[in-house]
Amino acid sequence: AQSVTQLGSHVSVSEGALVLLRCNYSSSVPPYLFWYVQYPNQGLQLLLKYTSAATLVKGINGFEAEFKKSETSFHLTKPSAHMRDAAEYFCAVSVDNQGGKLIFGQGTELSVKP
Amino acid sequence: DSGVTQTPKHLITATGQRVTLRCSPRSGDLSVYWYQQSLDQGLQFLIQYYNGEERAKGNILERFSAQQFPDLHSELNLSSLELGDSALYFCASSVAVGGINEQFFGPGTRLTVL
Repeated sequence: AQSVTQLGSHVSVSEGALVLLRCNYSSSVPPYLFWYVQYPNQGLQLLLKYTSAATLVKGINGFEAEFKKSETSFHLTKPSAHMRDAAEYFCAVSVDNQGGKLIFGQGTELSVKP
Repeated sequence: DSGVTQTPKHLITATGQRVTLRCSPRSGDLSVYWYQQSLDQGLQFLIQYYNGEERAKGNILERFSAQQFPDLHSELNLSSLELGDSALYFCASSVAVGGINEQFFGPGTRLTVL
C-alpha cells in the first residue's frame, strides 16, 4: 500500500524567503510523485511530477522538487516566496498497478507574510 | 481552466436525501476519478472509471455509486445522505489509466447536508 506524509500542516514564510514543504512517501513499488496546489475555492492544479526520468523536477511558478529514494522524500522548494504562493499544497503518490489513483497527504497550508 | 467541468457548484440538501453530481472530463480523456475532500479525512479517492468501466475503488461507501456514460461524462450518486457526507467532491480526468498520467481536476461540487 502507498501512503504520503506531509510534515507541518501550516508553514509561514516571509515574502522573498525560501519555501520548503516536506513530503515523505511509502510505496512497495516504484512510485510516481506529484505536488498539487489548491487556491481558495478552486480545484487542484498540478505543480510538478516525478516519473523516474530525473530526480530533480522543475515545475510551474518557480517550484521544484527532488526525489530522494534513500530518504523516501519528495520535498517541494522555491527560492523566493511571493504573496501569490499562499495556498494549500498537496503531495500525492500513485502507482501503475492501481489504475493511477492518487493517494494524497494531508496538505500544507502556506502563508506568505509581506 | 482545467477543461474538466462539474455541476452543480454548490448543493444544499437534507439528511436522508439523494443527490447526483455530474462531471464532464477534458476532451479526449477516457479516465475519470472521483475524490472527496473533507476536514476530517482530507482528500480521499473514491472511484475510477475508464471508458465506461469501473477500474478502481477506494473507500467509497455503499450508499455512494457512480457510472460513466458512453459520452464519457460521469455521475456520482450519493443516497441516504448523512451530515458527515458534507464535503467538497472533485472529479478529475486523465487520458489513460496508469500512475504516470497527469490528472486534471474540476472546480468541485460543495455538498452541504443539513
